[in-house]
Amino acid sequence: QSVPTQSPSASGTPGQRVNISCSGSSSNIGIRVVNWYQQVPGTAPKLLIYNNNQRPSGVPDRFSGSKSGTSVFLAISGLQSEDEAEYYCAAWDDSLNGLLFGGGTKLTVL
Amino acid sequence: QVQLVQSGAEVKKPGASVKVSCTASGYTFTTYAMHWVRQAPGQSLEWMGWINGGDGNTKYSRKFQGRVTITRVTSASTAYMELSSLTSEDTAVYYCAAPTTATTARYDAFDIWGQGTMVTVSS
Repeated sequence: QSVPTQSPSASGTPGQRVNISCSGSSSNIGIRVVNWYQQVPGTAPKLLIYNNNQRPSGVPDRFSGSKSGTSVFLAISGLQSEDEAEYYCAAWDDSLNGLLFGGGTKLTVL
Repeated sequence: QVQLVQSGAEVKKPGASVKVSCTASGYTFTTYAMHWVRQAPGQSLEWMGWINGGDGNTKYSRKFQGRVTITRVTSASTAYMELSSLTSEDTAVYYCAAPTTATTARYDAFDIWGQGTMVTVSS
């Protein structure tokens, strides 16, 4: 079983651009679409990006997603204090026949 | 508005079972699947399984197979998740989550989440 791997933490100052990565395998990210969720402490997750790079309505275009091979990337430009949250990638795994979430990346806005 | 409302917090003893409800409103419950995801304190999200809102077919994570049962009552637009043989490792916040459009459903993207139900397992 290969749970998608994310760096535990990331940080940036207001206005900066930060990148969060999520590395999977050929049984999940390599062949499946990835969705990203944002979770502010004490609240339920919120859909941020779906189908690798699509934003649901209401999500600012400061958030963008991309994919390369078995890795996906979430970029946040023009960092704002309200972006401080935990970010999770998620992808279906064909070997496990189940949905896998990454370990999460805690973003701190300095 | 579109929302999922879950039942309240539970405290259970080891070996017991817990049943959490999730009531949908603002969209057609029977059109889309309902998923269950849990989050232990300080941990990541963990997918448990889903139920097809229309025909009631279910699919469970291998980790929980045999211990979790997901059901639904369409007339009440409510899904249920029952977890048995509880241990302290099952202490977590349990969420229901669902896609509510054809687009998000196509990609298993959960555009709506319940508020979460805290389940504490303690002797």
